[in-house]
Amino acid sequence: EAGVAQSPRYKIIEKRQSVAFWCNPISGHATLYWYQQILGQGPKLLIQFQNNGVVDDSQLPKDRFSAERLKGVDSTLKIQPAKLEDSAVYLCASSLTGNEQFFGPGTRLTVL
Amino acid sequence: DQQVKQNSPSLSVQEGRISILNCDYTNSMFDYFLWYKKYPAEGPTFLISISSIKDKNEDGRFTVFLNKSAKHLSLHIVPSQPGDSAVYFCAASLGGATNKLIFGTGTLLAVQP
Repeated sequence: EAGVAQSPRYKIIEKRQSVAFWCNPISGHATLYWYQQILGQGPKLLIQFQNNGVVDDSQLPKDRFSAERLKGVDSTLKIQPAKLEDSAVYLCASSLTGNEQFFGPGTRLTVL
Repeated sequence: DQQVKQNSPSLSVQEGRISILNCDYTNSMFDYFLWYKKYPAEGPTFLISISSIKDKNEDGRFTVFLNKSAKHLSLHIVPSQPGDSAVYFCAASLGGATNKLIFGTGTLLAVQP
């Protein structure tokens, strides 16, 4: 069974630029999550989708972050414009039952 | 407000001995707890979980204990192996519609050969 795929794996941008991350969940998993993991901290949920609908985006900085999941499969997370404090690893996860989430390898973003 | 806490940033254990990783939580409404393991440059991988209605769950070398009155859970690894060296995250879920996970800050386990 193929795991959660994410791209790119690494991205370096300057502040005020925009960036987008892509995630392809495990086939058949209806629930998709985006997490932000800042160095030295645990992952923090940004947004959760159930199929193509948003379930929880309470911790998503909506003035600069946006996410979509068209057709209930792939998802993209965008940051526009980026700030220095957005430097982190962005993790995508998917779930069939909800309790156990399967994570992708993450995208390491560095904002200079 | 850190609802899930892992107070030990790191732990070093000899190969073959027991590793004990600890986690404390503040929200008594959490109903499901999980441990994830993370290697460098990889995403977290699920290790073991426990429901709040149980006090112990075992899977091979890994056992998780839950003490609800103390709001404390621990992960025991016996015997520890060098391949177990990784960062271990404790996570808790409120269940319901979102099953949102709240993660601790992680403990770096180093198993010395």
